Amino acid sequence: SQQGEEDPQALSIQEGENATMNCSYKTSINNLQWYRQNSGRGLVHLILIRSNEREKHSGRLRVTLDTSKKSSSLLITASRAADTASYFCATDQTGANNLFFGTGTRLTVIP
Amino acid sequence: NAGVTQTPKFQVLKTGQSMTLQCAQDMNHNSMYWYRQDPGMGLRLIYYSASEGTTDKGEVPNGYNVSRLNKREFSLRLESAAPSQTSVYFCASSVSRRSNQPQHFGDGTRLSIL
Repeated sequence: SQQGEEDPQALSIQEGENATMNCSYKTSINNLQWYRQNSGRGLVHLILIRSNEREKHSGRLRVTLDTSKKSSSLLITASRAADTASYFCATDQTGANNLFFGTGTRLTVIP
Repeated sequence: NAGVTQTPKFQVLKTGQSMTLQCAQDMNHNSMYWYRQDPGMGLRLIYYSASEGTTDKGEVPNGYNVSRLNKREFSLRLESAAPSQTSVYFCASSVSRRSNQPQHFGDGTRLSIL
């Protein structure tokens, strides 16, 4: 499979704590994207990191990319109940025409 | 400010029935996509349309057909539904197929085939 894999599959934290989720993939990439999916809704794009970038920030989000380990992490700081959702990584793989989505991390933020 | 609109939101079919899922976007995007989402599998690409007038197979095209009716609309057809096609179907669009373009998703069609 060309899909990435997120780890952990599920994560439960208290409001105000930081949440970290990881994505591993198998092939070389042009970029990696993170998406959020609220229950019963479509995916929403959060952030894109290119293969030549190592870290990127957007508000409370911090994404890192290690191409040597073929992995990425998404950190959400000072989490809020509204951050409760599933988070997916998607890889734009070199030589492929499609985005390949991972299996997702289900984040629950307890108020 | 609708974005990507999918109809219907829910549908139950019997094995062998046919159905067309509709998708429309109002963002003047060139590229459109159909995915299916199954538990534990992530999203898998069924078909995509890089631009008006073109369609191409994705990762799991068997059992499906698509039509890019115009720049706004991209439909997915199941000619003879099978229980294995029970899934949540998402339509998405992007400015272009260039790799740095984010995709914008509709809220999905939940399809059950009995």
